[in-house]
Amino acid sequence: GAVVSQHPSWVICKSGTSVKIECRSLDFQATTMFWYRQFPKQSLMLMATSNEGSKATYEQGVEKDKFLINHASLTLSTLTVTSAHPEDSSFYICSASLGTETQYFGPGTRLLVL
Amino acid sequence: AQTVTQSQPEMSVQEAETVTLSCTYDTSENNYYLFWYKQPPSRQMILVIRQEAYKQQNATENRFSVNFQKAAKSFSLKISDSQLGDTAMYFCAFMSGTSYDKVIFGPGTSLSVIP
Repeated sequence: GAVVSQHPSWVICKSGTSVKIECRSLDFQATTMFWYRQFPKQSLMLMATSNEGSKATYEQGVEKDKFLINHASLTLSTLTVTSAHPEDSSFYICSASLGTETQYFGPGTRLLVL
Repeated sequence: AQTVTQSQPEMSVQEAETVTLSCTYDTSENNYYLFWYKQPPSRQMILVIRQEAYKQQNATENRFSVNFQKAAKSFSLKISDSQLGDTAMYFCAFMSGTSYDKVIFGPGTSLSVIP
């Protein structure tokens, strides 16, 4: 149980285009979903926290207009990277929580912006 | 603000031997959780072990155990009988016990198990 999926697993896009990444909790309803970013050989950095039906809470330094988060249901959250640039290339990981101390992580999405 | 520090960027261990990964953290809270996550080359985050700060007993999961020193704010991970599949990045992490929200990760330790 407690499986989180992400789609796509990897994506290549041209600079200036937008990319949407989906995060789904497959067998549970997630109270909260989290989006992390991980550069090569570095740790996970929290980008934002989203609750169903509410606006996402962004961490300091994360541009909310560039990284749009929508949490339309208790099983789906999306991250849209708008007007992507090469420096946005990274590994994006989502996690989902039932409101307890346990977060269930998705497999991640590798984004490459050319 | 809470911080998590891992002072060993890289470590290696011989197969079947024991290795200990270090972690220290800083917080003013009394109620919190500490975690060790494993990230193998697939990059899927896997929860290895969890410790509740109010529990004095150190958590154990099969070959994995922790040494939780609350006063010293230290939380080390011991891996016994190391296996090749243990090769991965290991992240120590902190979560507040009052808000159950963000997980704060340490910088990670890259562990290589040598056959």
